[in-house]
Amino acid sequence: EIVMTQSPATLSVSPGERATLSCRANENINTKLAWYQQKPGQSPRLLISGASTRATGVPGRFSGSGSGTEFTLTISSLQSEDFALYYCQQYNNWWGTFGQGTKVEVK
Amino acid sequence: EVQLVESGGGLVQPGGSLRLSCAASGFTFSDHIMDWVRQAPGKGLEWVGRGRNKAKSYTTEYAASVKDRFTISRDDSQNSLYLQMSSLKTEDTAVYYCARDVGAGGMDVWGQGTTVIVSS
Repeated sequence: EIVMTQSPATLSVSPGERATLSCRANENINTKLAWYQQKPGQSPRLLISGASTRATGVPGRFSGSGSGTEFTLTISSLQSEDFALYYCQQYNNWWGTFGQGTKVEVK
Repeated sequence: EVQLVESGGGLVQPGGSLRLSCAASGFTFSDHIMDWVRQAPGKGLEWVGRGRNKAKSYTTEYAASVKDRFTISRDDSQNSLYLQMSSLKTEDTAVYYCARDVGAGGMDVWGQGTTVIVSS
């Protein structure tokens, strides 16, 4: 089973600052990784697929990088609407495991 | 507008059954692989299962936690995806989302979710 581990659990950042979220897989998943954003009371929203490709309509301040087992989601300059939960998900095998999530909160 | 609308959630006793539906619109449903994902109260996302399209022989796959209890089916003529849940346990309590699978690219369209509560 592929296990996805996100860190930190909570990230406190001031508006306008950069946020860096990490996601680690316990085995090689190549670039078969997606990132999602979820706000309270809302459904998840796809941000990044293929580890680094922004989904349609996603602002350029969101970027993804990494391959193999180590991945990063970077939000270059946090806007008020970016404070939310973020999940990574691997789809290298048929069982699309999610990480446990990182909450980005206002510092 | 591309849209997914889930329905069928509710309160059910442990050991009971429930059938969720997901109505798709705004895209060619039959072309797409579809997933079910759930989220227990205050918890993270858990992938539940996948229903592939005709091109992929309508194959299905399930998370270990629901295998042999849940069944995914689809009716392309009705643009609908279903999740038949049986032998429900209290730990199945969650919001259940259907989502369009990009096919090795994540899930790009999500419904609003339907709530299932398993309790006596």
